Amino acid sequence: ETGVTQSPTHLIKTRGQQVTLRCSSQSGHNTVSWYQQALGQGPQFIFQYYREEENGRGNFPPRFSGLQFPNYSSELNVNALELDDSALYLCASSFKTGSHNEQFFGPGTRLTVL
Amino acid sequence: ELKVEQNPLFLSMQEGKNYTIYCNYSTTSDRLYWYRQDPGKSLESLFVLLSNGAVKQEGRLMASLDTKARLSTLHITAAVHDLSATYFCAVDPPGNTGKLIFGQGTTLQVKP
Repeated sequence: ETGVTQSPTHLIKTRGQQVTLRCSSQSGHNTVSWYQQALGQGPQFIFQYYREEENGRGNFPPRFSGLQFPNYSSELNVNALELDDSALYLCASSFKTGSHNEQFFGPGTRLTVL
Repeated sequence: ELKVEQNPLFLSMQEGKNYTIYCNYSTTSDRLYWYRQDPGKSLESLFVLLSNGAVKQEGRLMASLDTKARLSTLHITAAVHDLSATYFCAVDPPGNTGKLIFGQGTTLQVKP
């Protein structure tokens, strides 16, 4: 069973640029959630995709967008990068059940905006 | 808006000692998760607590959930250096959404 993978591992961009981060979910999982973790903070929920549809969004502006593909992999896109977007971006996959949504996290992508 | 608060935020302790990390949250939920994060690494799932009174144990760590008090605890017994890490609690808002709200994290440093 393959775990959650993310690419790239590290990324350096400049203000105003656009970035795409990728996530492959764990085998058998149908839900992907994205989180932003600033240095020294807890992860903050960005949005969630379930069966290729956005299924809830946290307090992030529209320049944060995403996609989920038929194989349940996902992308996070950020336009017009700002310095404050520098963070660790974590993808988590899960299989929605009636009881709970235990999420398994990928290794993360460290984004630095200069 | 659901808020999750952990305390303490930093804990330095000697090997062999016991201590407890507290996680308080502001609205009703009966699904709480504990994660461990090593420096520069991702989150590792430790415990899933799904009902009032739930208690889970793994090695020197034990987690419990009191949904009426909106409180979870992570108890460390006879700490060892390998437990040094940052520990996060995360609460699933009502409705089983999976849109986790995390606490600020507790950084545990275990000294020999």
